[in-house]
Amino acid sequence: AQSVAQPEDQVNVAEGNPLTVKCTYSVSGNPYLFWYVQYPNRGLQFLLKYITGDNLVKGSYGFEAEFNKSQTSFHLKKPSALVSDSALYFCAVRDSEGSYIPTFGRGTSLIVHP
Amino acid sequence: DAGVIQSPRHEVTEMGQEVTLRCKPISGHDYLFWYRQTMMRGLELLIYFNNNVPIDDSGMPEDRFSAKMPNASFSTLKIQPSEPRDSAVYFCASSPRDGSTDTQYFGPGTRLTVL
Repeated sequence: AQSVAQPEDQVNVAEGNPLTVKCTYSVSGNPYLFWYVQYPNRGLQFLLKYITGDNLVKGSYGFEAEFNKSQTSFHLKKPSALVSDSALYFCAVRDSEGSYIPTFGRGTSLIVHP
Repeated sequence: DAGVIQSPRHEVTEMGQEVTLRCKPISGHDYLFWYRQTMMRGLELLIYFNNNVPIDDSGMPEDRFSAKMPNASFSTLKIQPSEPRDSAVYFCASSPRDGSTDTQYFGPGTRLTVL
């Protein structure tokens, strides 16, 4: 079985400060991990993914995520937040030994204050 | 490529009416997904298709909901009869056959309001 948790409903950060959006997962096999972003009144957009290889994954808009197997985490990070980063962020996981279909988290609302 | 296309973008209807939502996936994508998003439940997978065949509809809330994919370029999600609790944003997404990527491409959504 596969599951994903985003423990924070909302994250607030000041513009220019680093940001972290947390994600933890549970799988039977190896995890395939994804981050998506949803801007207001839009569909979800793919940001980045981890399939295998380097634990630090770089994605769109300056975002990156670090895969930590021992902590079963895949936190999304950005060194310097922009007001335009304010959006809803979804983590998703797919089990290499399970369904083709990923499971999405409930989403974390990121608010970047000027 | 125009991306995943959904219509209508907004739908307002009265309880008891039939509602049909439409989706055109990205050409060449073999997987199509229907999701529902609400504040209370977040993003829920309703049903998905592989090569036009429904694979898993366990997320469909009840018999009032049905989905079809008559060909590779078109899918519908129908609610009959509609109820106020069906009010939500419905997303269609498609994904290529390449299992190493698994990226889903989402449409802009249909915002459904049932009065």
